[in-house]
Amino acid sequence: DAMVIQNPRYQVTQFGKPVTLSCSQTLNHNVMYWYQQKSSQAPKLLFHYYDKDFNNEADTPDNFQSRRPNTSFCFLDIRSPGLGDAAMYLCATSRDPGLARPQYFGPGTRLLVL
Amino acid sequence: DAKTTQPPSMDCAEGRAANLPCNHSTISGNEYVYWYRQIHSQGPQYIIHGLKNNETNEMASLIITEDRKSSTLILPHATLRDTAVYYCIVRVSSRRDGTASKLTFGTGTRLQVTL
Repeated sequence: DAMVIQNPRYQVTQFGKPVTLSCSQTLNHNVMYWYQQKSSQAPKLLFHYYDKDFNNEADTPDNFQSRRPNTSFCFLDIRSPGLGDAAMYLCATSRDPGLARPQYFGPGTRLLVL
Repeated sequence: DAKTTQPPSMDCAEGRAANLPCNHSTISGNEYVYWYRQIHSQGPQYIIHGLKNNETNEMASLIITEDRKSSTLILPHATLRDTAVYYCIVRVSSRRDGTASKLTFGTGTRLQVTL
């Protein structure tokens, strides 16, 4: 089945130690998104790639970066994680960024910062 | 962005229809209504979306009022597996060509399906 895969499902890192979260998709979609969801809150968009075009949300901290080496993979890099970055990180994809195109989410990676 | 208002929680008996309301009185003509749900500790799951007409798929039905200011998601025969937070989202575009649209999640409705 075509799907969005996130690895690992749980990630533990230390305060200030860089961490990378991975997302892959078999849907061959052009757009990949990263959302952050803190405990008891709704998901919040960090940024997205439309093909190789990177689009950052205005309020996304500089501590968060992303890479998309090819259509199938996208990475979320947190350069210096703080305790406030502990959250569920969700990857989503869509065929294109149009209003009528649903986004399909992966299972998420839960990040714990010690 | 058009805002949505949903009841914080609802209960539904298993086997009965679950009708989840959503108000979006400031919606504009080209903005879509999307419904997602999130089961505890999982990623959001796409359910259905619509612009003006009512929509139905294998999961649910979406009823949009004629003035588009509100909508109802209908799960025809709720099961325990339908217990989740349901998000009604009005999807807007940040560009004139309709690209770069994003999902802005609200607080959602926590649906509890009971025996």
